[in-house]
Amino acid sequence: NAGVTQTPKFRVLKTGQSMTLLCAQDMNHEYMYWYRQDPGMGLRLIHYSVGEGTTAKGEVPDGYNVSRLKKQNFLLGLESAAPSQTSVYFCASSTLGYNEQFFGPGTRLTVL
Amino acid sequence: GESVGLHLPTLSVQEGDNSIINCAYSNSASDYFIWYKQESGKGPQFIIDIRSNMDKRQGQRVTVLLNKTVKHLSLQIAATQPGDSAVYFCAVLTGNQFYFGTGTSLTVIP
Repeated sequence: NAGVTQTPKFRVLKTGQSMTLLCAQDMNHEYMYWYRQDPGMGLRLIHYSVGEGTTAKGEVPDGYNVSRLKKQNFLLGLESAAPSQTSVYFCASSTLGYNEQFFGPGTRLTVL
Repeated sequence: GESVGLHLPTLSVQEGDNSIINCAYSNSASDYFIWYKQESGKGPQFIIDIRSNMDKRQGQRVTVLLNKTVKHLSLQIAATQPGDSAVYFCAVLTGNQFYFGTGTSLTVIP
């Protein structure tokens, strides 16, 4: 069991570039989440999904889009990166919303 | 929504002593709480959880206490070890979303 994996681990973008972060889980979890973690702040929810083909906005969704075409994958897209999106991004999954979340190792993104 | 805060951003303890890390939340409708440990460069790792119908739960060397009256929870680590050095934060489930505290950085002094 690999658990939750994220690719890439690191990325540097220029302002205006686009990219997609991939999250994969092999635990057959229904729920998947994307968070960002910034210094001095707690994890903040960007988007989440309660099942294949469904997505919903979290606390800070602006500038991001997501897709959950397969149950095991949850993609986070940045259409036009901005320096304010420099952060560490974590993906997580859980069996239900009322259970512990399993986190991936994170993606460190820098936008210049 | 929800506001989650921690009382101390840093905590240093001697190896072998007990550690107590605190978390306060604002919404009385919050009904599920988790403590996570995060080591440098890694993702958060589940430590222990507690539901709102309980006020205490114990794990291996860890205890979580929940006081719903004052909206406060704490994590107690017994006989703290160097491997416990990390950032600890609480997560509070309110509605269908978790809200996370900023974290307490625990340093264990050998």
